[in-house]
Amino acid sequence: EPEVTQTPSHQVTQMGQEVILRCVPISNHLYFYWYRQILGQKVEFLVSFYNNEISEKSEIFDDQFSVERPDGSNFTLKIRSTKLEDSAMYFCASKAGEFTGELFFGEGSRLTVL
Amino acid sequence: ILNVEQSPQSLHVQEGDSTNFTCSFPSSNFYALHWYRWETAKSPEALFVMTLNGDEKKKGRISATLNTKEGYSYLYIKGSQPEDSATYLCAFVPNNAGNMLTFGGGTRLMVKP
Repeated sequence: EPEVTQTPSHQVTQMGQEVILRCVPISNHLYFYWYRQILGQKVEFLVSFYNNEISEKSEIFDDQFSVERPDGSNFTLKIRSTKLEDSAMYFCASKAGEFTGELFFGEGSRLTVL
Repeated sequence: ILNVEQSPQSLHVQEGDSTNFTCSFPSSNFYALHWYRWETAKSPEALFVMTLNGDEKKKGRISATLNTKEGYSYLYIKGSQPEDSATYLCAFVPNNAGNMLTFGGGTRLMVKP
């Protein structure tokens, strides 16, 4: 069964360092997302991506964050200069089309910023 | 800020019990309501995507209802089994942001054998 895969599963980094989280969405899907969950809090939307550009982003997704789909298969989230409060589980998700509602999630990448 | 709330936060039931939990969401500007099942250390998996007021969906022993006018959805599990133990998340999609899900805090269900 096709699945969304994410790497790394866990990354520990120092405050101020750049981090790239990688995702391989399901191959024929067109919409891509990043969500995150800070420990003990709700899952929060970060950004959606369609047709090689950001379609929506939340207030969390500031200039420190960027996304790209460099090669038609990977979908990456970059955090330029990590802060302590960026520590969270980051989930990638993909969706087949505009009107097919369900999202397919990866297992998440846990980011710990020290 | 959209307010999506789930209750209870956690629930312990015995194997064989039937159970239900609630998701409440804004009653205006509704587009869709999603339910996901999330087992520890795995990825959240879609159970239902509901779009119409009065919708009822069923998958095996799990079913869900939707009331968009009053802003709530119920998830029911009939005859709970230990493998139903998971966190159940609902997510609201407003009409003007079709790609952005706003999640509730989840209901953590533990089914004791």
